Amino acid sequence: QPQLQESGPGLAKPSETLSLICTVSGDSVSSNSYYWGWIRQPPGKGLEWIGSMYYSGTTYYNPSLRSRVTISVDTSKNQISLKLSSVTAADTAVYYCARHVGYSDSGSYYWGWFDPWGQGTLVTVSS
Amino acid sequence: DIQMTQSPSTLSASVGDRVTITCRASQSISSWLAWYQQKPGKAPKLMIYKASSLESGVPSRFSGSGSGTEFTLTISSLQPDDFATYYCQQYNDYWTFGQGTKVEIK
Repeated sequence: QPQLQESGPGLAKPSETLSLICTVSGDSVSSNSYYWGWIRQPPGKGLEWIGSMYYSGTTYYNPSLRSRVTISVDTSKNQISLKLSSVTAADTAVYYCARHVGYSDSGSYYWGWFDPWGQGTLVTVSS
Repeated sequence: DIQMTQSPSTLSASVGDRVTITCRASQSISSWLAWYQQKPGKAPKLMIYKASSLESGVPSRFSGSGSGTEFTLTISSLQPDDFATYYCQQYNDYWTFGQGTKVEIK
């Protein structure tokens, strides 16, 4: 199983941009078998998918966050990055990166579950 | 968007109990459902995918069933390591999670 490790500032100020990096080891972000995703979890609450990206640049974003989210990949560093702009206290959460696993059905390929996950990193939005 | 609703939100049970968690989708998702286990301070762990396929290494006391809009996760004989929060996730249309079910010690 690959290992994923999130990193970045643990504190962001309201209205600024939150930036995180996920470093992947034991697999390649250029693999044509996987997307790479970000999921977040506010303290004491449930999980929310943020977005997923294929190494070629194809991305899917949660419609509720689309206007503020950018996910990109750096194949030379085997990293995926997340940028979330105009943050508020509601964006305070543990942010996870995860490998987004594909599956085939009726001759087409789709993107399904997340496995494995990084350990997560807490980002607090506060002035 | 597809909403996922889990019940109950909290479940109190004893070691050895048979435990069932329900996940309902707001529209049909065929069998495109996964289950995760999360322990405090840890990342979620994949347990089941495609509604009933057990992830490698997951104990056989875990099982999943259902299709369409109603799904269940069953633990046949609850073990001390199973006390955790469980989430369902649909992948029929985008990707959304249920709100979680906490399995606690009775």
